[in-house]
Amino acid sequence: QLQLKESGPRLVKPSETLSLTCTASGDSISTSSYFWGWIRQSPGEGLEWIGNIYYTGSSDYNPSLTSRVTISVDTSKNQFSLHLRSVSAADTAVYYCARHGRTLLRGTVDLWGQGTLVTVSS
Amino acid sequence: IVLTQSPGTLSLSPGERATLSCRASQTIGSGFLAWYQHKPGQAPRLLIYGVSSRVTGIPDRFSGSGSGTDFTLTISRLEPEDSAVYYCQHFGSSQFTFGPGTKVEIQ
Repeated sequence: QLQLKESGPRLVKPSETLSLTCTASGDSISTSSYFWGWIRQSPGEGLEWIGNIYYTGSSDYNPSLTSRVTISVDTSKNQFSLHLRSVSAADTAVYYCARHGRTLLRGTVDLWGQGTLVTVSS
Repeated sequence: IVLTQSPGTLSLSPGERATLSCRASQTIGSGFLAWYQHKPGQAPRLLIYGVSSRVTGIPDRFSGSGSGTDFTLTISRLEPEDSAVYYCQHFGSSQFTFGPGTKVEIQ
């Protein structure tokens, strides 16, 4: 049974880069069935899709964030990572890593990490 | 495609029927419309995919329907544990889009 867990700094200063890593356990991320991505929820707000990546390295991003975001993958460690540059208080949110259906449950987000709250503050 | 959900909040009693609406700004012809349940402090949970297919393990009181631009999540007989925010979500052009959510309160 695949599980996903986010890790990384919980506090980031304005203008710096937010970096989180998602570690998958119980199965490999090197599968044609899924993408691997990130979704966030700002306090009091709804869910916002950030982007996703295929294990080969191809990625897609939310147009509203594409200028500041990079998602990378390390299949040797069964991990994928989020890097969000030039953060501001508006980037304070709970960040979820998640499995996105590519061939299985295509177009859905069927497995989520527990989420981690990242606060942007000086 | 922009998704709007109504109502913003739904307050009902146990045993009642909840009808949640999701409207798309353009026709969704692909069938890529899903529903999620999100409780405080927990990760969201996928309930319905492909407009009307229920995920394994989801109670049959949850059902999805609709076509074109109008979609509905129905909870036929509310249980206290159904208190949550429900989101619809569309996939298209390699993009995932969520609606703003409907909060269901069980009185």
